[in-house]
Amino acid sequence: SQKIEQNSEALNIQEGKTATLTCNYTNYSPAYLQWYRQDPGRGPVFLLLIRENEKEKRKERLKVTFDTTLKQSLFHITASQPADSATYLCALMSGGSQGNLIFGKGTKLSVKP
Amino acid sequence: DAGVIQSPRHEVTEMGQEVTLRCKPISGHDYLFWYRQTMMRGLELLIYFNNNVPIDDSGMPEDRFSAKMPNASFSTLKIQPSEPRDSAVYFCASSLVPGSNYGYTFGSGTRLTVV
Repeated sequence: SQKIEQNSEALNIQEGKTATLTCNYTNYSPAYLQWYRQDPGRGPVFLLLIRENEKEKRKERLKVTFDTTLKQSLFHITASQPADSATYLCALMSGGSQGNLIFGKGTKLSVKP
Repeated sequence: DAGVIQSPRHEVTEMGQEVTLRCKPISGHDYLFWYRQTMMRGLELLIYFNNNVPIDDSGMPEDRFSAKMPNASFSTLKIQPSEPRDSAVYFCASSLVPGSNYGYTFGSGTRLTVV
């Protein structure tokens, strides 16, 4: 069956360190993968999209990698700040209809000062 | 732009009652999505529309759920009759084209509690 797994439910790191979140998937062949941020009581906010032919993408302190052989995406936040504390969700197209974007359950990141 | 607007923000209703959730997408976005989020199951796609036409409703849990999009600026998700297990946060999202570099824009959600 198709699955999207994010490495852990929670990740605690110290301010200034690099946070690395993992998204693994099985039985999908996505053309692209997306990452979102969700704060408590709010809807997810789009951060980055990476396509299957892109190995890496960067946006300010964010970096995403996409390995279609390993079926894995890594999401990095460098020089993390307490304001980065949130839940981060990965999402990919299910392969059915064009709009069928499926989400992982997310990893809750806490950055301690 | 005010973003995706959902109403109400919170809804508490008794089992068996009809519930209607509302959504106004971003102007110009051709795609509209309804998602449901619970702790147990995460974020689940219920249905989505393209140019006001329902494209994929395979995520709608039961016949008790129905969704409409009468025009490009308005959509409703109706639950009739509601049950306690329908308690969740319901999100509406809109998008230009899936797979674009802009992603989906989500509303703030409607927290539904069925007692």
